[in-house]
Amino acid sequence: SYELTQPPSVSVSPGQTASITCSGDKLGDKYACWYQQKPGQSPVVVIYQDRKRPSGIPERFSGSNSGNTATLTISGTQAMDEADYYCQAWDSSTVVFGGGTKLTVL
Amino acid sequence: EVQLVESGGGLVQPGGSLRLSCAASGFTFSSYEMNWVRQAPGKGLEWVSYISSSGNTIYYADSVKGRFTISRDNAKNSLYLQMNSLRAEDTAVYYCARDLDILTGYGMDVWGQGTTVTVSS
Repeated sequence: SYELTQPPSVSVSPGQTASITCSGDKLGDKYACWYQQKPGQSPVVVIYQDRKRPSGIPERFSGSNSGNTATLTISGTQAMDEADYYCQAWDSSTVVFGGGTKLTVL
Repeated sequence: EVQLVESGGGLVQPGGSLRLSCAASGFTFSSYEMNWVRQAPGKGLEWVSYISSSGNTIYYADSVKGRFTISRDNAKNSLYLQMNSLRAEDTAVYYCARDLDILTGYGMDVWGQGTTVTVSS
């Protein structure tokens, strides 16, 4: 079965750039989405189709996807961005989520 | 307001059954694909099942195949998940989530608040 691998945790200082990676076999040939989930809340999509931002998502969120790695980049990270982030792709009639990355802003 | 509201969760014994419902409002339900996604306590997101906008195409995660059944009633703007032969490892918050076209990477753009299922004796 297809797997997506994320680092368990990433730390960033306020105002700096955070990058969260998601690795999977030939992931660049698929579409990747990214979700943000804050404690006690439902997930929110922040990136779809590799690099597109839904309305209402700040411009500091961006995405890329090439080769075996998709990357979520948060520029000028703010305290409010502290959350769990999940990548997601579709493979062989299955939705696959990465294991999630806890982003700490300190 | 675009909204999804899940219901039907609760405490059930191993081997038991539950039927979850998801009521949609504020959008044309019949135009969207729907998914069930669950999250065990302290764990990550796990996709459970997908149903196309018409209901003609259905997929399941291997972990629930043969035990869970997804369905929808477009006339009632409702999504369902019939869960049989429940196991302790099915304990989770269950979310319904809509997507426009899962194959072309639109993602799940609206999620419900979740309903909690606890399987325990």
